[in-house]
Amino acid sequence: KAGVTQTPRYLIKTRGQQVTLSCSPISGHRSVSWYQQTPGQGLQFLFEYFSETQRNKGNFPGRFSGRQFSNSRSEMNVSTLELGDSALYLCASRSLGGPNGANVLTFGAGSRLTVL
Amino acid sequence: GDSVTQMEGPVTLSEEACLTINCTYTATGYPSLFWYVQYPGEGLQLLLKATKADDKGSNKGFEATYRKETTSFHLEKGSVQVSDSAVYFCALMRTDSWGKFQFGAGTQVVVTP
Repeated sequence: KAGVTQTPRYLIKTRGQQVTLSCSPISGHRSVSWYQQTPGQGLQFLFEYFSETQRNKGNFPGRFSGRQFSNSRSEMNVSTLELGDSALYLCASRSLGGPNGANVLTFGAGSRLTVL
Repeated sequence: GDSVTQMEGPVTLSEEACLTINCTYTATGYPSLFWYVQYPGEGLQLLLKATKADDKGSNKGFEATYRKETTSFHLEKGSVQVSDSAVYFCALMRTDSWGKFQFGAGTQVVVTP
C-alpha cells in the first residue's frame, strides 16, 4: 500500500508570494491533516479535512488555507508569505474506521518551504 | 488546553544502554497517547500507542505504559542501537478533537557505538 505522498519535497519562495502544497493520502483514508514543524514552535496543527469539509482548525492566520477533493487528496495554500512561514509542512492521513487504526496518523515525508 | 511535556534533549548514550524518555500530559477526559519517531529528512512514524489507562504499547523493543494517575506515558527501551538515533515525539489525541494531535517538543536521541 502506498504511503502518504507530498509534493513538492522542497521549494524556495520569496516574501509576498504564495505557495500551494499537495498531499495524497493512503488509499482509503478519508481524513487528511496538516501540521507545521519548526525548530522554535515544534509541531503545530493547521487543520484537518474529512469528506471535503474542514473539521478542525488550529490557531493560524487566514493566510493559511486548505481544501480536500473528492478523491481525498488535499492541498494547502499559504498566501503573502512571510519569513516565519519557513518550515516543514507535514501532511498526515488516517482511517476513521475500526477501533485499532482509527486514531493513528500516518505522515508523509513533508514539504520543506524556505521563504527568502 | 491540552499539552504534552517531554524531557529536553539531546540525550546521548552508548549502544546497549537503557533509554527512558519522560512524557507527561494535561488533557480532559481520556485521550489516546502515542509515541512517534522522526529520522533525519523524513516524516513522523508511529512507534507505539495506548488508548486507555494501564494499556502498554510496545514495538521494536520500545515500551510505554499509559498511567492515568500520574498522567504519564514514558518511553523505555532496554538496549538501544545506533539505528535508534532519531527525534522522539510524545503526543495525545482526544476523541472529540477531530484529528488534532497535541505533540510534545520532541527529544533528540543520539546513540554512539
